[in-house]
Amino acid sequence: ETGVTQSPTHLIKTRGQQVTLRCSSQSGHNTVSWYQQALGQGPQFIFQYYREEENGRGNFPPRFSGLQFPNYSSELNVNALELDDSALYLCASRGERDTGELFFGEGSRLTVL
Amino acid sequence: AQKVTQAQTEISVVEKEDVTLDCVYETRDTTYYLFWYKQPPSGELVFLIRRNSFDEQNEISGRYSWNFQKSTSSFNFTITASQVVDSAVYFCALSVRYNNNDMRFGAGTRLTVKP
Repeated sequence: ETGVTQSPTHLIKTRGQQVTLRCSSQSGHNTVSWYQQALGQGPQFIFQYYREEENGRGNFPPRFSGLQFPNYSSELNVNALELDDSALYLCASRGERDTGELFFGEGSRLTVL
Repeated sequence: AQKVTQAQTEISVVEKEDVTLDCVYETRDTTYYLFWYKQPPSGELVFLIRRNSFDEQNEISGRYSWNFQKSTSSFNFTITASQVVDSAVYFCALSVRYNNNDMRFGAGTRLTVKP
């Protein structure tokens, strides 16, 4: 139990649609990052937010966007969905105290048909 | 560019055997951070260890141990006396930034421990 919750746990969309995934960070954590994990692969870093500002981005196109709210919860938005966007999307949070530990949620599994 | 290679896709052992998971990394940065995470079937990644590039001391935590060798760019993970509950996918990861906003994961090694 990491204290990081994600919703929805599963969803199915069709190509061209838009999706919003949500993440509630562990209490007191002001940094949140998002990862995409395709089947059988390692997670790939999408972006990170610190105190509502994006402070790092991986190699993902602009149709992947995010938000972090004052309560440090977060959203990942993906526009114009493509078949290759089918994956497990993981959210991770971290506090100010630097232990290097990221606390992950159980993910949202997105299927694009 | 950073890269992490986990050459072992799947490993299967019998309970109580020792098992080593290999991790080789590439980076031109002199300061970097290495991680191991465990991913059970539930999906969430569980943090096991972080090691920075200036600390080459090996670490032991219960049945887990890690061998960091800069000379071979490796950060291997050994489970001693494996148990069925150790069955999971294990990921090695690398970051060159202090706030780890650039984490690069390997493809993972699926460990199955049979009773």
